[in-house]
Order: sequence, then structure tokens, then C-alpha cells
Amino acid sequence: EVQLVESGGGLIQPGGSLRLSCAASGFSFRDYAMGWVRQAPGKGLEWVSVIRDSGRTFYAAFVEGRFTISRDNSKSTMYLQINSLRAEDTAVYYCVRTAPYGTGWYGKNDFWGQGTLVTVSS
Amino acid sequence: DDQLTQSPSSLSAFVGDRVTITCRASQNIDTYLNWYQQKPGKAPKLLIYAASSLHSGVPSRFSGSGSGTEFALTINTLQPEDFATYYCQQSCRTPITFGQGTRLDIQ
Repeated sequence: EVQLVESGGGLIQPGGSLRLSCAASGFSFRDYAMGWVRQAPGKGLEWVSVIRDSGRTFYAAFVEGRFTISRDNSKSTMYLQINSLRAEDTAVYYCVRTAPYGTGWYGKNDFWGQGTLVTVSS
Repeated sequence: DDQLTQSPSSLSAFVGDRVTITCRASQNIDTYLNWYQQKPGKAPKLLIYAASSLHSGVPSRFSGSGSGTEFALTINTLQPEDFATYYCQQSCRTPITFGQGTRLDIQ
């Protein structure tokens, strides 16, 4: 059974930093691109970042160099380092598995974690 | 960036109804279009991928269609558990983008 378990969220002051983790199990982690999607309270889904199985990374424009996605295949774990946090970064952050289809490498987000809440407030 | 516009933003329907939600892309995305369902307080779930392929375990009353810039999600014979928010997502190119969501309420 595929499982994605996020951790690391919490209350953080503006300007602070946080590292989110996503522990994966039930599949060959190293063979999949993994990513993050966030959702601000009462708002829609917003794509954040993805790291391919090769290690290549992609980010949404709003990241502006503040976020760094990484992975440790030996631990089947993905990370999101978030620096210079802003109030608008307040959201539930979901870890997602990405499974390709057709000739596209991204494909679909077929499994989601339960999410971890990041609250940026003084 | 590829913008996705869903319509309507919200709708009300009865159990047993057939409903259709549309998603329009600002550029040609071929069939790189996915649909997700989200219930309050829960993570989204994949329903449809590649515009029309049903994800494993998803009831057959859900179907998707379209290609290029115009897409639709249809739910036949609405069940009580189908009342939720639905999102489309394009995976043709990064940055990956979502539609703004369509909230489906019971009438």
C-alpha cells in the first residue's frame, strides 16, 4: 500500500525557515518524481514544486528562490526547505507522487499525503 | 503559464442528477489534463487522468472528455458521496497548474 506521510509543519514567524518532510512507503521511491502542492485556508490547490527521479527540480514562480526541494532515496524521503516565510505561505502542504503517462514525464498525482499545516504568523 | 478556467465555480444538484463541469486551458495541452475530487478536511483524490482515463477504483459514473483546450468532467447519477469540490490540473508543461475549483453542493 502506497503511503505518504508529511511532517514538519507548525507555527512560524514571518521571515523564518522550516523544513517539511515526506516519508514514502509501499513503492519504489527512487523510480518516481515527487512533489508538493499547497492549499491556503479556504482556497484552491496550488502547485509548488517537483523533483524528478533524476534529481532535476522545478518550482512555481511564487517560490522566488525561497524553497528548495530535495530527496534522499536511501530513506525514501522528500524534503521541502522553505526560507523567508511570508504570511501568504500559510497553507496545508501536501506531498504527492507523480506517475507519468503518454510521453509526458509529469503525468498525474496519483497519491497524496494527508498534508501538514504551515502557519506563518507573529 | 497555462491558465485553467473551470465553470461553473459552484453548482447545486440533486442526488440522481447528471452534472458536467468544464475546464478551459489558455493553450493547447493535448490530453494532459487530470481531474481531482476533494472533500472538506481531506486530501484530494485523483479521478481522471489523460483527460478521459478512469483512475483505479473510481466509480464508472465519472467520465472525462476533451483535448486541446476544452475539457469536461461528467458525473452520471449523482450519489450523496459525490458532493465535493472538483479541480482540473494540466500536466503538459511546468509550471503545473490547477483550475480554481468547482464546488458541487447537494440541493
